[in-house]
Amino acid sequence: GNSVTQMEGPVTLSEEAFLTINCTYTATGYPSLFWYVQYPGEGLQLLLKATKADDKGSNKGFEATYRKETTSFHLEKGSVQVSDSAVYFCALCTNAGKSTFGDGTTLTVKP
Amino acid sequence: DTGVSQNPRHKITKRGQNVTFRCDPISEHNRLYWYRQTLGQGPEFLTYFQNEAQLEKSRLLSDRFSAERPKGSFSTLEIQRTEQGDSAMYLCASIRSTSGEETQYFGPGTRLLVL
Repeated sequence: GNSVTQMEGPVTLSEEAFLTINCTYTATGYPSLFWYVQYPGEGLQLLLKATKADDKGSNKGFEATYRKETTSFHLEKGSVQVSDSAVYFCALCTNAGKSTFGDGTTLTVKP
Repeated sequence: DTGVSQNPRHKITKRGQNVTFRCDPISEHNRLYWYRQTLGQGPEFLTYFQNEAQLEKSRLLSDRFSAERPKGSFSTLEIQRTEQGDSAMYLCASIRSTSGEETQYFGPGTRLLVL
């Protein structure tokens, strides 16, 4: 079956530090890949996505590249802010539309 | 377009009671999904509808759980004889699959606590 593995957290960084959150996946076929962000007490918000190999998704300074050869979709940001503190979920989506999520990585950014 | 809405946002109930949650998807979104999220975990797929037809149910969806989408618009998720293990966040998402779009739009969730 499909699965997503994220690097374990929590991750604590100082403001303006570089962020990487690793994500690898196992899937049949050619899934689309997503990063979602969840703030305390809220639902999931789509951060970025990529639908085919070598696509790069980007939004709000975050980037991730769909790497089919390494089955990875690592999230990066060059300079994090305190407001980026949240839980980040990597997910894949099949053509049925249902998503498989990783367990989430909690990011805390300190001023 | 007001986004996906879910009601109630919070529910506290005693073990053995029945609860029902409602999800209103984005209008014209023909697919609707239910997920369950427990603390420290990612959301897990429960079931989904295309219009009013329930097309798939996860093994996580025990006989105590039932979901409906009678008119192909809003959906309800009912849990009968709740157990403490049912305590979780229940998330709803929708897609307009006819557009080829795969991005799921999530609601804010209903947080259930079973005492």
